[in-house]
Amino acid sequence: QLQLQESGPGLVKPSETLSLTCTVSGGSINSNSYFWGWGRQPPGKGLEWIGSISHSGSTFYTPSLQSRVTISADTSKNQFSLKLSSVTAADTAVYYCARRTSDGNNHYYVDYWGQGTLVTVSS
Amino acid sequence: IVLTQSPGTLSLSPGERATLSCRASQSLSNNYLAWYQQKPGQAPRLLIYGASSRATDIPDRFSGSGSGTDFTLTISRLEPEDFAVYHCQQYGRSPITFGQGTRLEIK
Repeated sequence: QLQLQESGPGLVKPSETLSLTCTVSGGSINSNSYFWGWGRQPPGKGLEWIGSISHSGSTFYTPSLQSRVTISADTSKNQFSLKLSSVTAADTAVYYCARRTSDGNNHYYVDYWGQGTLVTVSS
Repeated sequence: IVLTQSPGTLSLSPGERATLSCRASQSLSNNYLAWYQQKPGQAPRLLIYGASSRATDIPDRFSGSGSGTDFTLTISRLEPEDFAVYHCQQYGRSPITFGQGTRLEIK
């Protein structure tokens, strides 16, 4: 059974960089059948997609966050990571890592999510 | 693409039928729309993809329909465990986007 587990600091200071890692078990991030990515959910609000990385290392970011986001992968550890720079209170959210799978037409929906980790931006 | 879900909150009793709506600001080619269920403190759970295909192990009381800009999630007979927040998501155009969610609560 595929499992994704987020890890990283739960508190980040304004203007600093948020860094999270997702450890995948029960599947390989090296598979060419999937994308791996991050979403977030501010308290009491809806979901927002941040971006994805393919097995080959190609990245795709939501335009509103693109200037501040970096997603990378370490296939030797079966992990992928999120860095979000210059954070503000508006970046306070539960951050989820996730897998995207193809519906057979080269379009990818999210089929598995990690449990999520709350990151608070505060001094 | 902006997704608008309605109603914001739906109050029903176990055994009743629930109908949740998701409207897209642009037509979704090939019906690239998914539905998720989320309970408090939990990650979203995939219910439907491709507008109408049920995900693995999802009970058949959950069904999805629609095309173009108008999509519906129907729960035929509500069980106590179905009361949760439901999100729609489009994955046809980048970036993927979500609706704001519909809260399904016990009446």
